[in-house]
Amino acid sequence: SQTIHQWPATLVQPVGSPLSLECTVEGTSNPNLYWYRQAAGRGLQLLFYSVGIGQISSEVPQNLSASRPQDRQFILSSKKLLLSDSGFYLCARQTYNEQFFGPGTRLTVL
Amino acid sequence: DQQVKQNSPSLSVQEGRISILNCDYTNSMFDYFLWYKKYPAEGPTFLISISSIKDKNEDGRFTVFLNKSAKHLSLHIVPSQPGDSAVYFCAASALSGGSNYKLTFGKGTLLTVNP
Repeated sequence: SQTIHQWPATLVQPVGSPLSLECTVEGTSNPNLYWYRQAAGRGLQLLFYSVGIGQISSEVPQNLSASRPQDRQFILSSKKLLLSDSGFYLCARQTYNEQFFGPGTRLTVL
Repeated sequence: DQQVKQNSPSLSVQEGRISILNCDYTNSMFDYFLWYKKYPAEGPTFLISISSIKDKNEDGRFTVFLNKSAKHLSLHIVPSQPGDSAVYFCAASALSGGSNYKLTFGKGTLLTVNP
């Protein structure tokens, strides 16, 4: 099976602190990977996608960044968190025309 | 500008009845449509999809209908069960270079199925 792991599951961070969220995928090679954010009361917003190692495309301007150091690893980072970065962060992989999501990380910035 | 719209933030139905969730889109380049179900604090789960070359796709209790001329799709759940209570997201995609499909999501509809 093609499993998606996200770590950590929940995180509470102060404003101005750094962030690193990790997504790892099992059972597939060279997947297209995606980072989404769901803010309170809103839909899922695509933040970044990657079609291969070292290849990152950003969808919206923000203080977040993404990296793909390994084929099955996708990392979401920030140097200084803002209050508006709070939300539910989801990693997804693409299989044909569909995308399948990981369990998500709940980030609260205080 | 919202390219995928779910105009009903919530819907309540009785167990055993039909649930109809609606979705409208504006981008005529979208050629593939998906429905996801999401429970609180969990990732969305893929439910069913439909290609723009079809107008109906059925999978068990779930049927998706696509009306391309109206740029409208709907998800029918028959019969509805209490376990179907969740937020349902409509999503649309268009091939955006190579094999990369970017999904555009609606804001979701909270379905509550009452016993």
